[in-house]
Amino acid sequence: LAKTTQPISMDSYEGQEVNITCSHNNIATNDYITWYQQFPSQGPRFIIQGYKTKVTNEVASLFIPADRKSSTLSLPRVSLSDTAVYYCLVGENYGQNFVFGPGTRLSVLP
Amino acid sequence: DAGVTQSPTHLIKTRGQQVTLRCSPKSGHDTVSWYQQALGQGPQFIFQYYEEEERQRGNFPDRFSGHQFPNYSSELNVNALLLGDSALYLCASSPDVQGGQETQYFGPGTRLLVL
Repeated sequence: LAKTTQPISMDSYEGQEVNITCSHNNIATNDYITWYQQFPSQGPRFIIQGYKTKVTNEVASLFIPADRKSSTLSLPRVSLSDTAVYYCLVGENYGQNFVFGPGTRLSVLP
Repeated sequence: DAGVTQSPTHLIKTRGQQVTLRCSPKSGHDTVSWYQQALGQGPQFIFQYYEEEERQRGNFPDRFSGHQFPNYSSELNVNALLLGDSALYLCASSPDVQGGQETQYFGPGTRLLVL
C-alpha cells in the first residue's frame, strides 16, 4: 500500500502557476496516480490521473518522472476559486487501496 | 447525465441512535464506495460494494454496515451512534474496470452530527 507525502499548505497569487509535488516512494508497478480537489463541505472532485510521463487535460497537468517515486500537479494561472485542498492518491482499483492523506491546502490570494 | 447523488444532505442524531444514508451512483457505474471524513482530515475508506456484496472493507467497526441494491444504489447504516461518528459521509461510484485504474466520482456527501 503506497503512502504519499505532500506539503500541508501552499500560498499563491492569482494568475500564477502552482506546482504541488507528491512523494510516493513505495509505488507499486500497477499503481496509478490520481489527484482530487476538494472544497469545504463538498465531495472530492477528480482532477487528473496518470501512470507515467506527462498527462494534460483542460484543468491541469501531471508530471511523473521515470522512477515514478513522485509526481507534480501543475495548475496554470490559478484563480481565487482554485483555493481548495488537493489530494494525491496512489493505488490500484479497489477502495481499500484508495488512501487519502491530509492533502495540500492551497490558498490563492488576490 | 446525473452524477453521484446522496441523501439526506444533513442529519442530526443523538448518541445510541441508528442512521441510514443513501447513495445513487453515476449512470453506468456499478461499484459504490463509502468514506468518512472528519473535519480537517482526508476521507477514510469504510467499504466498497459490487454486485450487491461487500468487496472490501476499511478499518471500521461492525456498527458500520451497508447494502447495495440491484439498481446499484447503496445504503450506509451506522448503529449505536457515537459522538465521534460526526463527520461528512461520502459516497463514490466507479465502473468495475478489470486490469486498469477506475476513477472514483464522489457525491456531495451527507453531513452527520451526533449530539
